[in-house]
Amino acid sequence: QVQLVQSGAEVKKPGASVKVSCKASGYTFTSYGISWVRQAPGQGLEWMGWISAYNGNTNYAQKLQGRVTMTTDTSTSTAYMELRSLRSDDTAVYYCARPLAVAGPFLYYWGQGTLVTVSS
Amino acid sequence: SYVLTQPPSVSVAPGKTARITCGGNNIGSKSVHWYQQKPGQAPVLVIYYDSDRPSGIPERFSGSNSGNTATLTISRVEAGDEADYYCQVWDSSSDHAVFGGGTQLTVL
Repeated sequence: QVQLVQSGAEVKKPGASVKVSCKASGYTFTSYGISWVRQAPGQGLEWMGWISAYNGNTNYAQKLQGRVTMTTDTSTSTAYMELRSLRSDDTAVYYCARPLAVAGPFLYYWGQGTLVTVSS
Repeated sequence: SYVLTQPPSVSVAPGKTARITCGGNNIGSKSVHWYQQKPGQAPVLVIYYDSDRPSGIPERFSGSNSGNTATLTISRVEAGDEADYYCQVWDSSSDHAVFGGGTQLTVL
């Protein structure tokens, strides 16, 4: 069965960087892209971007351009999301997610979420 | 960028029908997907491509999409349906996914 298992909670100071991992299993990793979605406390879902695990192509939300980098390690079937120059409003639960079908426009499989807290 | 508008909250009595709307410019020309999210949990897809249900989702959940409004309908609402619901489209012009602001469904 498809599983996405994310790394544990992080506490960072403003201005620092965080790198969240998402280890995939139960399918051919390079056949599907991985999207990242975040949710600030008490707020809605925000799509952050997408990476192709096949060729590493990325597509980032404009709001995060320049601060976010998404990568994959095909040898370990793991996707990564790094966010730099952290601010207090980056405090959120970060999810990785995969579509049901190759290049599908909706997200079917989700990781358990990683809480990132930005606080001085 | 494309904007999706949802009512912040909807309330419904058990056994009745809940309708949650998602407004967007000519949204009927796009495919709309719906997620259910309970507190402390990851979202769960409940409707995709406007009206298809993933396996394991009760038939009580249905969807429609026309003009400027997509609608998630939950029939015979149960206490366990109480959750936040989000609509989502893929905006082909920006090649970005877009989520609505979410609707909190309260079962009275």
